[in-house]
Amino acid sequence: DIQMTQSPSSLSASVGDRVTITCRASQSISSYLNWYQQKPGKAPKLLIYAASSLQSGVPSRFSGSGSGTDFTLTISSLQPEDFATYYCQQSYSTPPTFGQGTRLEIK
Amino acid sequence: QVQLQESGPGLVKPSETLSLTCTVSGGSISSYYWSWIRQPPGKGLEWIGYIYYSGSTNYNPSLKSRVTISVDTSKNQFSLKLSSVTAADTAVYYCARVLWFGEKGYGMDVWGQGTTVTVSS
Repeated sequence: DIQMTQSPSSLSASVGDRVTITCRASQSISSYLNWYQQKPGKAPKLLIYAASSLQSGVPSRFSGSGSGTDFTLTISSLQPEDFATYYCQQSYSTPPTFGQGTRLEIK
Repeated sequence: QVQLQESGPGLVKPSETLSLTCTVSGGSISSYYWSWIRQPPGKGLEWIGYIYYSGSTNYNPSLKSRVTISVDTSKNQFSLKLSSVTAADTAVYYCARVLWFGEKGYGMDVWGQGTTVTVSS
């Protein structure tokens, strides 16, 4: 299985901050990388697909970049509703695997 | 818009079979792949498998010997069976629609709310 490693595991930030979360794959996955947001007690929500494409309805402050093994999710200006846990997921090979999550907390 | 709803027992005894159903509303189950994902308490996400509306499946190799996913297009439902469960199978189980991004892989774009399944005697 391809291992997905996110950093940091947790992050404290303030409203208005620019935040970057990193995801590293254990082997090259081209651009087969998605990002999800999960709030407590809720299902994950697809934010970014194919490394850099914004899912319909997702605010433009979210952006993704990277290819190969290294990827980033950036939130340009944190809003109160963005405090959640974020997961990356690869679909390059079966089984699709998720990172361990990055918990974004209010400072 | 398409909505998904999981249903099934919230408590399953060890060694028995976990059975869940996902009902698709607001759209047809046809022409899509459908997936099950689970999340143990306080932990990350684990993909269980997916099924095409035609019935073809793909399972996580770590669970393949115990998993069966099936589809009933007449009811707009798909189902999960996981046999020989243990406490390690305790989790929130989600059903989700699989969206293919051309040659850039796939992801899950519509999710059910999730259902908690506890394995305990």
